[in-house]
Amino acid sequence: QKEVEQDPGPLSVPEGAIVSLNCTYSNSAFQYFMWYRQYSRKGPELLMYTYSSGNKEDGRFTAQVDKSSKYISLFIRDSQPSDSATYLCAAIRNNNDMRFGAGTRLTVKP
Amino acid sequence: DVKVTQSSRYLVKRTGEKVFLECVQDMDHENMFWYRQDPGLGLRLIYFSYDVKMKEKGDIPEGYSVSREKKERFSLILESASTNQTSMYLCASRPPRGKSNQPQHFGDGTRLSIL
Repeated sequence: QKEVEQDPGPLSVPEGAIVSLNCTYSNSAFQYFMWYRQYSRKGPELLMYTYSSGNKEDGRFTAQVDKSSKYISLFIRDSQPSDSATYLCAAIRNNNDMRFGAGTRLTVKP
Repeated sequence: DVKVTQSSRYLVKRTGEKVFLECVQDMDHENMFWYRQDPGLGLRLIYFSYDVKMKEKGDIPEGYSVSREKKERFSLILESASTNQTSMYLCASRPPRGKSNQPQHFGDGTRLSIL
């Protein structure tokens, strides 16, 4: 079993929909949580970075962490075709031990 | 903005060749990382380095070595390339955990094909 699990999708939604992307993790030692966005033929770029349980909002993006259930989510409001990409969740548990989910491929159709 | 630059976007090599992948970062980060990314498997850590001339094995170091002679440069070496090393290779860097809570910043990757 992978330490960070993520449904690979693919996920296809119409423009304007609310998108929910989810990951679970198995080790309570994970302390920091991230979401990366990766466009085709590009490297992952950091979208959201959070430490504590609760919500963190940045524009149309909201990252949610529930440490009690070991669940992390990314919500995208008013989704746009430009949001079409692969989204990777990640967790860090000590100085250098960072684990990634497999990535969810999202397509937003005009 | 952090800039992580990988020397090649696409590379085609033959089985048995020695292959060098180069990565340079411009933010004076101590920590640098090499991953490979494969469909369904996500990102897997090959090697990382937390200082010049220092290196640590990641989850899948077999068949690879690394070199960190200067702080800004981290090289991945495939000693004798094999077809199962065909993959997307990603380099990343970040400051040490005690100095900053910054997560990793990635380069755009090198898509390596071994024929």
